[in-house]
Amino acid sequence: DGGITQSPKYLFRKEGQNVTLSCEQNLNHDAMYWYRQDPGQGLRLIYYSQIVNDFQKGDIAEGYSVSREKKESFPLTVTSAQKNPTAFYLCASSAPDTPGYSPLHFGNGTRLTVT
Amino acid sequence: GENVEQHPSTLSVQEGDSAVIKCTYSDSASNYFPWYKQELGKGPQLIIDIRSNVGEKKDQRIAVTLNKTAKHFSLHITETQPEDSAVYFCAASIHRAAGNKLTFGGGTRVLVKP
Repeated sequence: DGGITQSPKYLFRKEGQNVTLSCEQNLNHDAMYWYRQDPGQGLRLIYYSQIVNDFQKGDIAEGYSVSREKKESFPLTVTSAQKNPTAFYLCASSAPDTPGYSPLHFGNGTRLTVT
Repeated sequence: GENVEQHPSTLSVQEGDSAVIKCTYSDSASNYFPWYKQELGKGPQLIIDIRSNVGEKKDQRIAVTLNKTAKHFSLHITETQPEDSAVYFCAASIHRAAGNKLTFGGGTRVLVKP
């Protein structure tokens, strides 16, 4: 089955530690995205990548970093500089059929708790 | 940038009744409007989308309408069933050469009471 795998489902870290969230897709999609979800605020875009070795900041990139060394992988690092890292993180991918209209396919998320 | 407002934030309906969720957007250049359903502990799934050259689209019990002049679009669910209980998100994006940078509304939690 093709899809997006995010691991782990739950992640706990101490304040001041960096943590990396995994996202792997086998849909052969070019574009990949990271969203953050907080209660009542919908989904906010952190970073996105339209092609290997290239990525752009989204609306709330501060305190996060990404890499895109392989088409199928787009890991997100939550650094100690992120002031409120506790959230539900969603990875998505898309393959433009008609550019600009391609739907996003989401993984099942990683819930990060930082104490 | 684009701003998407979604109302109501919660919606409780009796099984069999209709549910309507409304969204407004700010950027008149937006031309793609998907709706996503998110069940507990899962990622959002696309349920229907509409492009700006279309005013209405239906898929079985769900329909979406778009009013470009007023910059609002709505999701209609008819004959609601308990499995329709979930959080629904609207979104908007602007046609670009590549990629699909969606801006999401705040979500509507729908509860269908049997």
